[in-house]
Amino acid sequence: NAGVMQNPRHLVRRRGQEARLRCSPMKGHSHVYWYRQLPEEGLKFMVYLQKENIIDESGMPKERFSAEFPKEGPSILRIQQVVRGDSAAYFCASSPLVTDTQYFGPGTRLTVL
Amino acid sequence: AQTVTQSQPEMSVQEAETVTLSCTYDTSESDYYLFWYKQPPSRQMILVIRQEAYKQQNATENRFSVNFQKAAKSFSLKISDSQLGDAAMYFCAYRRTQGGSEKLVFGKGTKLTVNP
Repeated sequence: NAGVMQNPRHLVRRRGQEARLRCSPMKGHSHVYWYRQLPEEGLKFMVYLQKENIIDESGMPKERFSAEFPKEGPSILRIQQVVRGDSAAYFCASSPLVTDTQYFGPGTRLTVL
Repeated sequence: AQTVTQSQPEMSVQEAETVTLSCTYDTSESDYYLFWYKQPPSRQMILVIRQEAYKQQNATENRFSVNFQKAAKSFSLKISDSQLGDAAMYFCAYRRTQGGSEKLVFGKGTKLTVNP
C-alpha cells in the first residue's frame, strides 16, 4: 500500500504567480488534511477535506488560498498571487476514518522568489 | 483553544543513552489523542507513538515510551538506547476525538542530537 503522495516535492514560483500543490491520499483513505510548516516552526493546520466537501478551513488564510478534494483525483491546494511569505513546506496527511491516525506525505517545499 | 508546548528547543544525548523530551498541553476536553512525530532531515513526518487519553497505561513502541500524566497535562517521550538514526526534530501533537474536525495541534518541536 503506497503512502501519501505529494507532488511536486519542490516548487519555485515568482511573486504573483499561482502555486498548485497535489496530494494523493493512501488507498482507502477518504479524509485529507493540509498543514503548513514555516522555517523553524511546527506544523500549522490549514484545511480538512473529505471527498467533495470542505469540513474545516479555519486555518486557511481568507484570501488567495483554496483547497479541493474532488470525487476523482488528488486533493489540490491552490495559492494564487504568491508572496514571499508563502514560502514554506506544505504537508498533506490522510486517514481512513475521522478517528484514526493521520499519515503524512513527504511535503512540498514552496519557494517564492 | 488547545495548545501544545515543548519547552526544550534542543536536546542532546550520547549514543546508547536515554533521553526524555517534554511536552505539555492545554485542553478542556476529557477524551483526546496525543502523538509524537519524528521529522528527520528528509522532512518526512513519521509517527513515533500514539496515546489515547482514556487509557491509563502508557504507550510503548520498542525503544520509545511515553509518560502520560493526564492530571498534569504532560506527555513526555523517552527514547532508550539512543541510536544515531534517532537524530531529528520531534513534535508533540494533540487531537480531539469528537467535534467534526480532527486537526492536529503541534508544538514547536525539539531538535534531538545524538552524539557518537
